[in-house]
Amino acid sequence: EVRLVESGGGLVQPGGSLRLSCAVSGFTFSDYYIDWVRRAPGKGLEWVGRSRNKARGYSTDYAASVKGRFTVSRDGSRNSLYLQMNSLKIEDSAMYYCARTDVRIFKDFDYWGQGTLVTVS
Amino acid sequence: QSVLTQPPSASGTPGQRVTISCSGSSSNIGIKGVNWYHQLPGTAPKLLIYNNNQRPSGVPDRFSGSKSGTSASLAISGLRSEDEADYYCAAWDDSLSGMLFGGGTKLTVL
Repeated sequence: EVRLVESGGGLVQPGGSLRLSCAVSGFTFSDYYIDWVRRAPGKGLEWVGRSRNKARGYSTDYAASVKGRFTVSRDGSRNSLYLQMNSLKIEDSAMYYCARTDVRIFKDFDYWGQGTLVTVS
Repeated sequence: QSVLTQPPSASGTPGQRVTISCSGSSSNIGIKGVNWYHQLPGTAPKLLIYNNNQRPSGVPDRFSGSKSGTSASLAISGLRSEDEADYYCAAWDDSLSGMLFGGGTKLTVL
């Protein structure tokens, strides 16, 4: 069974840092892209960043709104993806989801975690 | 402001067919596959359509997707009360090197 489980959310002051984790199971971690997507209260979905698969060198991309402040990384030994968030702003408050992409069949975000809530205040 | 444009709301009665549009540009929908998701309150988003018109296993064939040029649409036939949710289109943008979501469409089943 494919599973993605986020953790690490919480309350942080503006300017502070937080690291989110996404633990995956049920598939070969290195074969898939994993993204972070967020939804702020009263707003729609917003893509945050991407970690590509081993074949693509685990390269990353970021939304303009977080570039230079957020960093996506992987730990293959733990089957986990991380989102390091620095210089947090009030507008970063949101539910953060990790989601899997099967790039071989252009299937973006076929599985999602349940989300972890980040509040910057 | 989303670069993919969706109507903010849509509605229909049970059994009806509704469509939701998604307008983009030559750097996203024009050259990349479109995906559709819906999100029920308090739950994670769910993939409904990928690569313009492909349905993941388990998604009813009441849901269908299409694309023409720089626009895409999601059609829901045989509308049911449990279809009431927020619907989003998404596509990769080559110019921005990022995934774009539409602003979302709130579907109400009357």
